[in-house]
Amino acid sequence: DTGVSQDPRHKITKRGQNVTFRCDPISEHNRLYWYRQTLGQGPEFLTYFQNEAQLEKSRLLSDRFSAERPKGSFSTLEIQRTEQGDSAMYLCASSFGALGQYFGPGTRLTVT
Amino acid sequence: KNEVEQSPQNLTAQEGEFITINCSYSVGISALHWLQQHPGGGIVSLFMLSSGKKKHGRLIATINIQEKHSSLHITASHPRDSAVYICAVRLGGSFGNEKLTFGTGTRLTIIP
Repeated sequence: DTGVSQDPRHKITKRGQNVTFRCDPISEHNRLYWYRQTLGQGPEFLTYFQNEAQLEKSRLLSDRFSAERPKGSFSTLEIQRTEQGDSAMYLCASSFGALGQYFGPGTRLTVT
Repeated sequence: KNEVEQSPQNLTAQEGEFITINCSYSVGISALHWLQQHPGGGIVSLFMLSSGKKKHGRLIATINIQEKHSSLHITASHPRDSAVYICAVRLGGSFGNEKLTFGTGTRLTIIP
């Protein structure tokens, strides 16, 4: 399968713990996006990478959130000191040129 | 007011019916996407369009740039079409950053 992959697919954690998610984009895609989707809502933009450079971050991305794409390939999204409000589906997408975005299956986070 | 509005929020129809889902937006855009999301979260891109009309199988998407409106039509609907359909726009002038702004989705249920 050469699509966008995300790991893990599901994560349950206790409030206050740190979690890290991984996204592997389609190999030739130079742009990578993270979105967050809460129940019953459409996804919301979190951050965007072009190659290894993080070019934009949403105001939704508080200081507890950090994202990296160290070699311009896979990306990680870390949430420190998780809160119940962080419970959501975290979606990754990648793109190249004007061909549109390809989405991964998402990581569903539940903070108890 | 959200920048992207969809209607209806929920739609239930009998198998075989012609389905229309509407999307209106209030900002200048460079492209509009129609996405399909099944239970479990994975998002599939159905169409990306900036003008006119596109057709793929039983799905048709149209956009009217002047009226800031797009429609997704499904002909001869089938229970496997049951999903959430999401409209998303790429803002005009956002060259290179293709971040999307999403509607809240339309939940479609097709009854056999």
